[in-house]
Amino acid sequence: GAVVSQHPSWVICKSGTSVKIECRSLDFQATTMFWYRQFPKQSLMLMATSNEGSKATYEQGVEKDKFLINHASLTLSTLTVTSAHPEDSSFYICSAPLGTGDRKTQYFGPGTRLLVL
Amino acid sequence: GDSVTQMEGPVTLSEEAFLTINCTYTATGYPSLFWYVQYPGEGLQLLLKATKADDKGSNKGFEATYRKETTSFHLEKGSVQVSDSAVYFCALSDSNAGKSTFGDGTTLTVKP
Repeated sequence: GAVVSQHPSWVICKSGTSVKIECRSLDFQATTMFWYRQFPKQSLMLMATSNEGSKATYEQGVEKDKFLINHASLTLSTLTVTSAHPEDSSFYICSAPLGTGDRKTQYFGPGTRLLVL
Repeated sequence: GDSVTQMEGPVTLSEEAFLTINCTYTATGYPSLFWYVQYPGEGLQLLLKATKADDKGSNKGFEATYRKETTSFHLEKGSVQVSDSAVYFCALSDSNAGKSTFGDGTTLTVKP
């Protein structure tokens, strides 16, 4: 079946540095990918919609200059957390849809756990 | 906007007990409904889904029926196992936009 990968799975960084997280659809193309954030013991919150060939669409309250999204190709989207701070520590999950209409299914990546010291 | 309300947890059951996790939703249009499972330290896995009213999704002994009249998608399993211990998320997806809205998650612990 369809697979979405994320890299890295774990990252620890110092406050003030930037971290790039990759999301890849391994055996299908995705013109759209989604980035979610999950705090411990909480639900997933949609951060932004990544659009291949155009700007990402950010949800209300998400700083687009803080969380840079680039959809470089039909199989790759990247999320860069710029000037990371401890409050950015979280579990970041991407997803990519496959299919159309009723058959559309979201395939989720395994997540990237970010810890900012 | 769209929203999903899940039964609050945590839920603790003995092995072979019957499980129900309630889920109701609010949405415009006709969303698809999903249950996802997240094991400790892992990402989301699709458990089952239903794309239209009265559809029943089922997988690994779990099942849920898309009830449009009550806007519900309750998850059930007749006999839980210790290995079912995880966090369960109810979600809906706008088939056009594709993005998903999640419930808060329900933590299930099954004791031997």
